[in-house]
Amino acid sequence: EAQVTQNPRYLITVTGKKLTVTCSQNMNHEYMSWYRQDPGLGLRQIYYSMNVEVTDKGDVPEGYKVSRKEKRNFPLILESPSPNQTSLYFCASSAPGTGGVDNEQFFGPGTRLTVL
Amino acid sequence: QKEVEQNSGPLSVPEGAIASLNCTYSDRGSQSFFWYRQYSGKSPELIMFIYSNGDKEDGRFTAQLNKASQYVSLLIRDSQPSDSATYLCAVTGFSKFYFGSGTKLNVKP
Repeated sequence: EAQVTQNPRYLITVTGKKLTVTCSQNMNHEYMSWYRQDPGLGLRQIYYSMNVEVTDKGDVPEGYKVSRKEKRNFPLILESPSPNQTSLYFCASSAPGTGGVDNEQFFGPGTRLTVL
Repeated sequence: QKEVEQNSGPLSVPEGAIASLNCTYSDRGSQSFFWYRQYSGKSPELIMFIYSNGDKEDGRFTAQLNKASQYVSLLIRDSQPSDSATYLCAVTGFSKFYFGSGTKLNVKP
């Protein structure tokens, strides 16, 4: 089954304790992205990756890191989490677009993070 | 300044009616436009995408794009209670995605 998986699905942690949220896709997609979703603010792009070893900032990258060592994996790292990073996080992937247009993104199930 | 604007709703329509959802965007260079549906606590799922000006129909759904007015809409015909969800408009330009905050749709039986 074609899917994007995220782990963990739920996480409660404390301020300053480094954490990693994993994301993996089995569709051989080149493009992967991380979003956070907050009430009233919608989905906001944190980081995206066009391919292995190619990453770029989205709209809200502060406080986050990513890496893309393999095509299928795109982990999100919070080196020193703070309460304002409490949110619902989604990973997504898509096939590369052509001619300036982008393809639909397939989303993972989400990770609900609470930072105390 | 928000890139993509949607009325947060809720938009309430009776079963069988047409639901009209609207979205405006600020970046004239935007190339791709998507409508996603998101049920509470779930991940977004694609309803439709549109790249060119005009209408695009898929079953009960019609997307309309007007690049000159920077406006994209979604019409849902014969609305069903199962259509009750939040609808997210997404606009992209060269691989950066911008989502609206979503419109909550309630379809009353």
